[in-house]
Amino acid sequence: GENVEQHPSTLSVQEGDSAVIKCTYSDSASNYFPWYKQELGKRPQLIIDIRSNVGEKKDQRIAVTLNKTAKHFSLHITETQPEDSAVYFCAASGSNTGKLIFGQGTTLQVKP
Amino acid sequence: EAGVTQSPTHLIKTRGQQATLRCSPISGHTSVYWYQQALGLGLQFLLWYDEGEERNRGNFPPRFSGRQFPNYSSELNVNALELEDSALYLCASSLGGTYNEQFFGPGTRLTVL
Repeated sequence: GENVEQHPSTLSVQEGDSAVIKCTYSDSASNYFPWYKQELGKRPQLIIDIRSNVGEKKDQRIAVTLNKTAKHFSLHITETQPEDSAVYFCAASGSNTGKLIFGQGTTLQVKP
Repeated sequence: EAGVTQSPTHLIKTRGQQATLRCSPISGHTSVYWYQQALGLGLQFLLWYDEGEERNRGNFPPRFSGRQFPNYSSELNVNALELEDSALYLCASSLGGTYNEQFFGPGTRLTVL
């Protein structure tokens, strides 16, 4: 069945360091890959997304890479700041299914 | 621009009762999605409504149902509540058609006693 595996489950970095979160999906029909940030007690917030016809996308300190052959996609956060501390979820979606399949989440802690 | 709104914020029910959760999408969005976020289980897809029709359904029993109204707002109904239905229920909306960007509401925390 459809599945998204996300690693690591927890990640602790020093302020200013980079953080990388990796996801693997199972459904080869997946063509849309968003990343969400969820702070404690708040709604998931879309921070960046990538579609299957693109290999990399950047937005300031955040970048996402996609390897369709390997069914891997990753989130890269550079120059981390304490306010980046949150739970990050990757997700995958197939064309016109409406359904986002989420990874289990990564708790990122940025130590000042 | 107002975001996705959900009501109520919290809902406490007893086992066997019914719960009704409501969602108003972002203005201009025609698709509404429902997800369950149970502790330790991540976000699980429940339902997708677009233009008033149910378009897709996740692996949940039939006692989870809903509808979308002509103004694109949506309602999620959970019948015969079980203890394991306790979770945060999140609604998201998106533009219809091939757009996939889903924007989430704050959620309704359902507690079943």
